[in-house]
Amino acid sequence: DVKVTQSSRYLVKRTGEKVFLECVQDMDHENMFWYRQDPGLGLRLIYFSYDVKMKEKGDIPEGYSVSREKKERFSLILESASTNQTSMYLCASSPSTGQGNTEAFFGQGTRLTVV
Amino acid sequence: KNEVEQSPQNLTAQEGEFITINCSYSVGISALHWLQQHPGGGIVSLFMLSSGKKKHGRLIATINIQEKHSSLHITASHPRDSAVYICAVRFRGGADGLTFGKGTHLIIQP
Repeated sequence: DVKVTQSSRYLVKRTGEKVFLECVQDMDHENMFWYRQDPGLGLRLIYFSYDVKMKEKGDIPEGYSVSREKKERFSLILESASTNQTSMYLCASSPSTGQGNTEAFFGQGTRLTVV
Repeated sequence: KNEVEQSPQNLTAQEGEFITINCSYSVGISALHWLQQHPGGGIVSLFMLSSGKKKHGRLIATINIQEKHSSLHITASHPRDSAVYICAVRFRGGADGLTFGKGTHLIIQP
């Protein structure tokens, strides 16, 4: 059974804290993604990575950074958490065929509250 | 701007009804996904389409590439089908990330 696992389901952090959200996949996928989901806005792409140590900005990268030191792990970092980063964060992975028609697999989501 | 529009935003129906959720997009795509999200957040991929029609149990997904439109149908709906259904596309020539519709919140009443 294929799996994308996010390290926490629920997280509460204080404003200004450095926050790490971890995502691990066991499918040997090249591509990994971080999205955030907000009411009325849907899911939006923050960052993605198509290979180890490679990263690309998505639509809303401001206030975030990422790390991909190993193929199976993709970390989202909030350098200094702010209340407007309170959201549901979803990690996803997919294989890379160069044709864009590959299945996407999602983690269970991390609901982050910044107080 | 590449966009994905879903309708309706909210849908409440009685158990047993035939359900249709629509998705339209603005430019050419390499693939379209239908996703299901239950309360609690986890997302499950229902279908990935690049042409034609797919069926899985009571769920049917169709896509019309020329019209840039896809539909998700649920036959003999059941309260356990209550969830948010999300259409997502990978635009041709774009980055590998998906662009999502805002979702359809479906409630099936017994």
